[in-house]
Amino acid sequence: NAGVTQTPKFQVLKTGQSMTLQCAQDMNHEYMSWYRQDPGMGLRLIHYSVGAGITDQGEVPNGYNVSRSTTEDFPLRLLSAAPSQTSVYFCASSYLQGAVYEQYFGPGTRLTVT
Amino acid sequence: DAKTTQPNSMESNEEEPVHLPCNHSTISGTDYIHWYRQLPSQGPEYVIHGLTSNVNNRMASLAIAEDRKSSTLILHRATLRDAAVYYCILDSGGYQKVTFGTGTKLQVIP
Repeated sequence: NAGVTQTPKFQVLKTGQSMTLQCAQDMNHEYMSWYRQDPGMGLRLIHYSVGAGITDQGEVPNGYNVSRSTTEDFPLRLLSAAPSQTSVYFCASSYLQGAVYEQYFGPGTRLTVT
Repeated sequence: DAKTTQPNSMESNEEEPVHLPCNHSTISGTDYIHWYRQLPSQGPEYVIHGLTSNVNNRMASLAIAEDRKSSTLILHRATLRDAAVYYCILDSGGYQKVTFGTGTKLQVIP
């Protein structure tokens, strides 16, 4: 299994540009999520999905869109990039193991907006 | 949401045990305690979780205080590969309610 894969690894955007960060998992996990991590800070939840066709907002959703058309893929769209969106983005998938979710994270995408 | 408090950083000598503390004084009765770690330039990885009883797995042990207001992650024999940021997280029972704080940065000294 490849686990959780993210592309690209690095990206530089100009303010106002749009792009899509790709995330895929091959573990047949129902749950997927996107986090951002700013320097010296913990991870903050952007959006999450509990299954194909179902998404919801996390702690910091503004400026981002998601969709989940398949179990495997959960792309994150930046509609109009801003310097405040410079961050490292992590995608995670998880399954319910008993009463808890064990999350598997991708390697991250480092995004710089100039 | 219940919060956790961890020291910003800790040091350990290689091949010695490490005890990473976490305070969660406002934990509720149904909150699970999770630990994740993040190696440099990687995404976080699951380490261990528990509810009330102490737990062991191949990576670490989790000791939970009787009143559940604190817990300790124990690495029995630190290696250089264990140098990472360790996050103590409370799972309040909803997928969207898991919050990662700033964690403890563990430095392992050869």
